[in-house]
Amino acid sequence: GEDVEQSLFLSVREGDSSVINCTYTDSSSTYLYWYKQEPGAGLQLLTYIFSNMDMKQDQRLTVLLNKKDKHLSLRIADTQTGDSAIYFCAATSGAGSYQLTFGKGTKLSVIP
Amino acid sequence: DTAVSQTPKYLVTQMGNDKSIKCEQNLGHDTMYWYKQDSKKFLKIMFSYNNKELIINETVPNRFSPKSPDKAHLNLHINSLELGDSAVYFCASSHPARGRENGYTFGSGTRLTVV
Repeated sequence: GEDVEQSLFLSVREGDSSVINCTYTDSSSTYLYWYKQEPGAGLQLLTYIFSNMDMKQDQRLTVLLNKKDKHLSLRIADTQTGDSAIYFCAATSGAGSYQLTFGKGTKLSVIP
Repeated sequence: DTAVSQTPKYLVTQMGNDKSIKCEQNLGHDTMYWYKQDSKKFLKIMFSYNNKELIINETVPNRFSPKSPDKAHLNLHINSLELGDSAVYFCASSHPARGRENGYTFGSGTRLTVV
């Protein structure tokens, strides 16, 4: 089955860029997602990328996909204290099914 | 209007008790899920229902029983609660036929504490 890996912690200074990385194992994954979880809240979909794209930009967020290496990254430009949260990478498992496998989450801490 | 709502938000109970968590979605989605998030924030799928039919049943103790009375509801009943059941339980829903770019929509979670 699909396995999704992320580093657990990232600390950046306010105003800097944050880059959160993720790797997955299933080469047939068609959709890859980034979710944000703020303290005490549920997961909120931030953005997604389809497997035939290599980049997607949405305001301060840039998603890069290297399908050959099965590597996904989320870049947050001009990181703010409000970006402090846990970020989950998720990938669809299998070509015919729609089951998401989540990584363990990266806790982003923004230092003022 | 809340898209995926769970009740209760907090639940504190003694070991050995039986409790239920309710989930309702008003998005017209056809698939619903239960996830468990442990103290390290790791998310683990427990169950998935599609049109009231169980399609995923991961390795969870049979003390956990999901019930889906209709497409909009997926409840989780837990018998003989144990200390290790303490976690945050998330309900989610999806409707892949409308476009997989929407992913799953999550509820705000139920924090279960067993004492």
